[in-house]
Amino acid sequence: GEDVEQSLFLSVREGDSSVINCTYTDSSSTYLYWYKQEPGAGLQLLTYIFSNMDMKQDQRLTVLLNKKDKHLSLRIADTQTGDSAIYFCAETQNQGGKLIFGQGTELSVKP
Amino acid sequence: GAVVSQHPSWVICKSGTSVKIECRSLDFQATTMFWYRQFPKQSLMLMATSNEGSKATYEQGVEKDKFLINHASLTLSTLTVTSAHPEDSSFYICSVQGLAKNIQYFGAGTRLSVL
Repeated sequence: GEDVEQSLFLSVREGDSSVINCTYTDSSSTYLYWYKQEPGAGLQLLTYIFSNMDMKQDQRLTVLLNKKDKHLSLRIADTQTGDSAIYFCAETQNQGGKLIFGQGTELSVKP
Repeated sequence: GAVVSQHPSWVICKSGTSVKIECRSLDFQATTMFWYRQFPKQSLMLMATSNEGSKATYEQGVEKDKFLINHASLTLSTLTVTSAHPEDSSFYICSVQGLAKNIQYFGAGTRLSVL
């Protein structure tokens, strides 16, 4: 079945770049997403990428997709303490279909 | 994006009682809403897809008689945990499918603690 894997923890210093990685198994994934979850809160959509794209940039966020290796990454430039949260990678096969989430990566930003 | 309100944010109940959680789409009419469950330090697992005016579609392993979903209007879906037990304690999150159907907008979640 579909599976999405992420590393569990990442620690960076304020001002550095963070790179959060995700791998997935479903070759028919059409959309891939990054969500942010702060403690005790719901999920905030950060960005998403369509499977025919290689890269998408939105201000401090850069998403890279390697479809051949089924690898997705999220780069946060100039990481701030307010970026500390859990980041979830998710994929779906089709519009309106269910989202399959990874386990989440806890990003800790140290001053 | 859509604004999704979930209520209550935290509920504590005794074992054997039923709890209702509301999910509201505040700024547009949502045909489809989703209910997820999240255990501590774990990912979100889809429980069911809720379509306005029809029966919810439950994921494999989710008891439909235990987790009753009602989507009676385009702005409100409810999840009722019936005869709750301590193992039902979890974080329940709803989402709303946006006008762009590939996007889901999430509520803030409801923490359920069953004593």
